[in-house]
Amino acid sequence: GENVEQHPSTLSVQEGDSAVIKCTYSDSASNYFPWYKQELGKRPQLIIDIRSNVGEKKDQRIAVTLNKTAKHFSLHITETQPEDSAVYFCFTGTYKYIFGTGTRLKVLA
Amino acid sequence: DAGITQSPRHKVTETGTPVTLRCHQTENHRYMYWYRQDPGHGLRLIHYSYGVKDTDKGEVSDGYSVSRSKTEDFLLTLESATSSQTSVYFCAISESGTSPEQYFGPGTRLTVT
Repeated sequence: GENVEQHPSTLSVQEGDSAVIKCTYSDSASNYFPWYKQELGKRPQLIIDIRSNVGEKKDQRIAVTLNKTAKHFSLHITETQPEDSAVYFCFTGTYKYIFGTGTRLKVLA
Repeated sequence: DAGITQSPRHKVTETGTPVTLRCHQTENHRYMYWYRQDPGHGLRLIHYSYGVKDTDKGEVSDGYSVSRSKTEDFLLTLESATSSQTSVYFCAISESGTSPEQYFGPGTRLTVT
C-alpha cells in the first residue's frame, strides 16, 4: 500500500534556530501536501500546505518545499520560539490520505 | 475552529459492548473522515464519507462501521468494543476534492476496559 515516512521523530533546537522536518511518500498521484501542528491534548491544526504545481510556499516563519521527482516535501521553521514546541505531522495521498507518524519538536529557551 | 463537534468527548466502556461516536458539522462540507490516534502511529484513517450514504474504508477499518444519513452527521460504531480500540478518535471535514484541506474536531477519548 501507499506509505508516508516522516523524519526525525524527535527534534530539539535552541530558541532562534531553524528546524527542518522531512516526509517522503510513495503515491505518485499525490497532489496535496499539508503540514499539521498538534499541541498536547489538542486537535491537529493545519499550518501550511502546498499543491503539486508549486515548489515552495512561505508564510512568515514557516515554509514548505516540495520535490515531486524525489517524492519528498519538507517543513522549515525559522527563528523558532517556545510556542513552536508541538508535534508536527505531514499528510498526503489522493482520496485516502495518509499521515506521517509525527515529529515532536522541542524548542529550548 | 471550523464548526465541528464530537460527542461524547470522553467515554469508558467494557469489552464487548457496542459504542457509537458522533461527529456533527455546521459547514455543509461534503467529505467527512474518522481517524484514530495512537502513540507511535500518528493518525490513521478508519473510514471516510464523500456524500450522504457514500462511504469507503480506510487503512484500519476492521471492527468499525460508519453511517451518514445527513450531510452534517457522521457516525462511527464499534460493534463490539475491544481493548485494542482504546484510542483518541478524531473526526475531520473537507469541502471538496479540489479543496482538500481537512479541519479536525476536538476528539473523543475512548477507553475500553
